[in-house]
Amino acid sequence: DAGVTQSPTHLIKTRGQHVTLRCSPISGHKSVSWYQQVLGQGPQFIFQYYEKEERGRGNFPDRFSARQFPNYSSELNVNALLLGDSALYLCASSPWPRTGNQPQHFGDGTRLSIL
Amino acid sequence: QQQVKQSPQSLIVQKGGIPIINCAYENTAFDYFPWYQQFPGKGPALLIAIRPDVSEKKEGRFTISFNKSAKQFSLHIMDSQPGDSATYFCAANSGGSNYKLTFGKGTLLTVNP
Repeated sequence: DAGVTQSPTHLIKTRGQHVTLRCSPISGHKSVSWYQQVLGQGPQFIFQYYEKEERGRGNFPDRFSARQFPNYSSELNVNALLLGDSALYLCASSPWPRTGNQPQHFGDGTRLSIL
Repeated sequence: QQQVKQSPQSLIVQKGGIPIINCAYENTAFDYFPWYQQFPGKGPALLIAIRPDVSEKKEGRFTISFNKSAKQFSLHIMDSQPGDSATYFCAANSGGSNYKLTFGKGTLLTVNP
């Protein structure tokens, strides 16, 4: 079975540009979450989506936005890129509804570098 | 405010040793505590997880010990192997119907042959 797939694997942008990252969840999983992992740190929660609606948001500015499609795939958009946005962006999928014992499964991420 | 504190930052053991990684949390609303293993260039992979109403869980060579009153939990790796060399993260999920993991800062484990 395919795991969580993310594209692209690597991306280089310059300050001020915008970027779109994509994620396909595990088949049967209806919830998608996005995390940012800065080098040397643990992942930090950005968003959770289910049924195309935002279900939770971490402490990130409005430059970060996301959406979920009818097939449960998701896009993360970041506008007006800053040097500090350089990080590994991880997508996690999970079943819905949450019953307490279900983990989130992560993809291998998109490595975003801002020049 | 860091809600999940992980220690040590790095750990070196010999093959066959038993590395122990510790985590402490503050938010009593956390209801699910997974551990993830991450290799360079890869995403975090789930190792083992526990709920706060269980004091210990074993899966293969990996054991979680959980102390709810102290708000602490730890990962033990039995008979560690060089292939276990990776970064390990503890995490905690906020209670309720949503998925939101709060991660520790990670422990870089090196297992020498």
